Amino acid sequence: GAGVSQSPSNKVTEKGKDVELRCDPISGHTALYWYRQSLGQGLEFLIYFQGNSAPDKSGLPSDRFSAERTGGSVSTLTIQRTQQEDSAVYLCASSPAASGRADTQYFGPGTRLTVL
Amino acid sequence: GNSVTQMEGPVTLSEEAFLTINCTYTATGYPSLFWYVQYPGEGLQLLLKATKADDKGSNKGFEATYRKETTSFHLEKGSVQVSDSAVYFCAPPKGAGSYQLTFGKGTKLSVIP
Repeated sequence: GAGVSQSPSNKVTEKGKDVELRCDPISGHTALYWYRQSLGQGLEFLIYFQGNSAPDKSGLPSDRFSAERTGGSVSTLTIQRTQQEDSAVYLCASSPAASGRADTQYFGPGTRLTVL
Repeated sequence: GNSVTQMEGPVTLSEEAFLTINCTYTATGYPSLFWYVQYPGEGLQLLLKATKADDKGSNKGFEATYRKETTSFHLEKGSVQVSDSAVYFCAPPKGAGSYQLTFGKGTKLSVIP
């Protein structure tokens, strides 16, 4: 079946502009996660959705970052007034989250964001 | 919540050498444990997992055993290949009953012919 998809694959923007990144999880997966990976760095957790609600937003770096999920499916990560330090690869993952314990997260290919 | 300590890299090995990448974690409860791999230019993918104490996960010649007594989940491979060059991430859950994972900082492995 289809895996996690993200769009766009690459985004170049100017400092101060707003950007929207999209994630389509695997059908039926109730949990959805956003991470950020800067060049040569590990994964930085941003936000976690269970259905349409976000039990954990603790990783969002500032109030310029927001995310929503609708219909228990597609999620959008929005970065307002982008800064150069926002440049990174933004990864989305989904998992079934039906077992009562952590299960495999399936990652999308990522969106590479470059802020000039 | 759980935290993870992963051996820092980079690690450079010759082909057919033995590989160990250490991973220890602080655990609440007895979670499932995961290793993920990121090959150059590709996305993260699950390498292997273990779902209970003393369980051994294995895939592509890699193994990791869930050691409850030492809260460790070290990754091993007896004979590495050039194609194993990648970044490896240890990932225990954030906490008991949590669906979230806490990713280690990653260990970059380079295997030279």
